[in-house]
Amino acid sequence: DQQVKQNSPSLSVQEGRISILNCDYTNSMFDYFLWYKKYPAEGPTFLISISSIKDKNEDGRFTVFLNKSAKHLSLHIVPSQPGDSAVYFCAASDYGGSQGNLIFGKGTKLSVKP
Amino acid sequence: EAGVTQSPTHLIKTRGQQATLRCSPISGHTSVYWYQQALGLGLQFLLWYDEGEERNRGNFPPRFSGRQFPNYSSELNVNALELEDSALYLCASSLTGTSGKETQYFGPGTRLLVL
Repeated sequence: DQQVKQNSPSLSVQEGRISILNCDYTNSMFDYFLWYKKYPAEGPTFLISISSIKDKNEDGRFTVFLNKSAKHLSLHIVPSQPGDSAVYFCAASDYGGSQGNLIFGKGTKLSVKP
Repeated sequence: EAGVTQSPTHLIKTRGQQATLRCSPISGHTSVYWYQQALGLGLQFLLWYDEGEERNRGNFPPRFSGRQFPNYSSELNVNALELEDSALYLCASSLTGTSGKETQYFGPGTRLLVL
């Protein structure tokens, strides 16, 4: 039973436009969320995180929005660049429970076309 | 600052053999995590070590085991290899995972192929 879901396996966006990647979760105990980017043959690279006490966190071109009531988060990339083409993973944790591990979605492959 | 390193990058084994994968965390990090990414699947949590102790393990059989050394590096052992163990094994490290919201940083992974 998937606790973190990324329902879009792929997304194609034109360079310069906004990319919106979505993620839904089922466990209301999750209190910390992260986005990672992964290129082929490399490990995931941390992008941005958000604590459940916030509803928005911004870092340069990347903004993560959290809607706790809907158990939904999204990653906005503005403007999108061809170098952003990668697989994006949403991850969640229950750090309050000190479980330590992250629970990942299956990823969304973003293609940014020049 | 050096990131998380893993060795070997690739490993080919046959069914029934044992595989040993190694990970060195970022300097100053005491927590090490192991994940498996099988083809078409997301990252599945395997093991978490902190300060030399196993803190949590995912839903994997006991033939997946590991340890953390005094220098915080870690080893993942997979015994009695099965074909479905073929996957990318990722190691991540963080400052201690027990005290708050610590970001995990990943290594490049070891690709294990079981024939």
